[in-house]
Amino acid sequence: QKEVEQNSGPLSVPEGAIASLNCTYSDRGSQSFFWYRQYSGKSPELIMFIYSNGDKEDGRFTAQLNKASQYVSLLIRDSQPSDSATYLCAVSWSTGNQFYFGTGTSLTVIP
Amino acid sequence: DADVTQTPRNRITKTGKRIMLECSQTKGHDRMYWYRQDPGLGLRLIYYSFDVKDINKGEISDGYSVSRQAQAKFSLSLESAIPNQTALYFCATSEPGGTGELFFGEGSRLTVL
Repeated sequence: QKEVEQNSGPLSVPEGAIASLNCTYSDRGSQSFFWYRQYSGKSPELIMFIYSNGDKEDGRFTAQLNKASQYVSLLIRDSQPSDSATYLCAVSWSTGNQFYFGTGTSLTVIP
Repeated sequence: DADVTQTPRNRITKTGKRIMLECSQTKGHDRMYWYRQDPGLGLRLIYYSFDVKDINKGEISDGYSVSRQAQAKFSLSLESAIPNQTALYFCATSEPGGTGELFFGEGSRLTVL
């Protein structure tokens, strides 16, 4: 049974702070890792993907992957109230194959 | 217009009724998925299809069936709806060989009384 685990939160950070979201996965064969953002009542949208160990930066977002520890994280720098959403971690065995989602972490950025 | 369209967006039905949720896409993707989302349980895969002749069960396929009528259309059926099938249902597509990103429809909220 493949499992993806996230702290459900809620996580609250003040505006301008760094938000750190964490995800662990059980399948050592997992190859692709994704972070989706989901606003309340809306569909998930991709914000980051990462395939290789290390850091990947895109604007205020940084994804970090450590395959040895089976751990992927998302850092949001200079958090804004518009970042308030649920963040879903997703893992797949190979690109475009089945995706396994965590339960999501609810983030609130306090103005 | 949305690239991945789901109908209906909201549906209330009674136990025992047959329900079909429809999904159509204009992205030209071969791969299509049906997920359900429940509070505290995240997104769980019901069925997926990699082309018109390929249908695969996901984590929670019991009580559901699907039909891939064309590359662009993938329907989910509940043959005899029960209250614990009350959930938000998402259709999604992806492109093989791409980034692996899933493109979601806007969701169909189903309530079974």
